[in-house]
Amino acid sequence: SQQGEEDPQALSIQEGENATMNCSYKTSINNLQWYRQNSGRGLVHLILIRSNEREKHSGRLRVTLDTSKKSSSLLITASRAADTASYFCATDASGANSKLTFGKGITLSVRP
Amino acid sequence: GAVVSQHPSWVICKSGTSVKIECRSLDFQATTMFWYRQFPKQSLMLMATSNEGSKATYEQGVEKDKFLINHASLTLSTLTVTSAHPEDSSFYICSAVGGSTDTQYFGPGTRLTVL
Repeated sequence: SQQGEEDPQALSIQEGENATMNCSYKTSINNLQWYRQNSGRGLVHLILIRSNEREKHSGRLRVTLDTSKKSSSLLITASRAADTASYFCATDASGANSKLTFGKGITLSVRP
Repeated sequence: GAVVSQHPSWVICKSGTSVKIECRSLDFQATTMFWYRQFPKQSLMLMATSNEGSKATYEQGVEKDKFLINHASLTLSTLTVTSAHPEDSSFYICSAVGGSTDTQYFGPGTRLTVL
């Protein structure tokens, strides 16, 4: 069964705007990871946040994690047309030996 | 950063033939590799976990005799789709984990089309 559930499923914004994507999950986790996938390509790792962390930054990316609500958010600031892609959250559940369970993904379109 | 390659990037084959897909970690030793399948506009579904030198662990519903996985070295895992049928057409992606990091690094994927 799907562990991560992202919302919204599709997001369309104007270049320069911020994009916020949310992910909820069901079980205890070791960490939560966000990936980007361009159409027909492999996944690019964006950021990993551990269960004992609440917020992480990487360039224009900001990820938060609320383990009490079992949710995470990915914020992309000052979006660019090149950010157009599908974004997935994936959880590494406690005791899962690094197995990741992916959400359904969010399709982000950034209009130039 | 860690690099994972896959070969071939795409393959078209006739129904009933077998297809082998290679996954290599180029600049690190992968103690564990994972194989995923992704149908169009859907998420990744884990098929199996492969540890070097041991038998792969398959997820529920994945036929181990149809999807043969070999992880012969710390840098190479192979997935063989045996007696492929049109319903096996999909995007197959591998990932690798190694060293002290929890991060899974993904290959670019292999598009399999079975006619």
